[in-house]
Amino acid sequence: EAGVAQSPRYKIIEKRQSVAFWCNPISGHATLYWYQQILGQGPKLLIQFQNNGVVDDSQLPKDRFSAERLKGVDSTLKIQPAKLEDSAVYLCASSLEGRGGASDIQYFGAGTRLSVL
Amino acid sequence: SQQGEEDPQALSIQEGENATMNCSYKTSINNLQWYRQNSGRGLVHLILIRSNEREKHSGRLRVTLDTSKKSSSLLITASRAADTASYFCATDAGVGDDKIIFGKGTRLHILP
Repeated sequence: EAGVAQSPRYKIIEKRQSVAFWCNPISGHATLYWYQQILGQGPKLLIQFQNNGVVDDSQLPKDRFSAERLKGVDSTLKIQPAKLEDSAVYLCASSLEGRGGASDIQYFGAGTRLSVL
Repeated sequence: SQQGEEDPQALSIQEGENATMNCSYKTSINNLQWYRQNSGRGLVHLILIRSNEREKHSGRLRVTLDTSKKSSSLLITASRAADTASYFCATDAGVGDDKIIFGKGTRLHILP
């Protein structure tokens, strides 16, 4: 079974530039998550999709971050414009049902490491 | 907002010894999970324990949950070099809250 695929693995940009990350979840998984993980900290949930609808985006900085999940499968996360504090690893995860909270096992991709200079 | 908080922040032990790390949380929960993250990789699920369970095992891993103390512990027995990683607990943000919250993690280093 293929895992969660993310690209690119690394990205270096200058502040005020734009960047986009892509995620392909495990086939058949209804729920997709995007996390931001700053060095030395745990992942922070940015947005959660159930199929192609948004379940929670309360911690997404909507003035600069946007995300979409096309046809309930692949997803992209965009930052425009980037700030220095956006330097982090962006993790995508998927789960089979998404019953909420910590009730479902999540499967993570390897992440995209973003450096904003 | 932070729910789970791991203790200690970092732990170094000799190979073959047991490693214990703890997670404390603030509000009542239905579920708690432990994940492992190797350097430069994504997180890997280890164990899910529900609020009506007190203990679960998986291979060399043992997880306990004490809802009265709002805490959980992860025990890794007979540690190996491959166990070197960061370990995170993840909980519901609260009963009926659909969000999941990860702690800051315990960085475990197994010495040869």
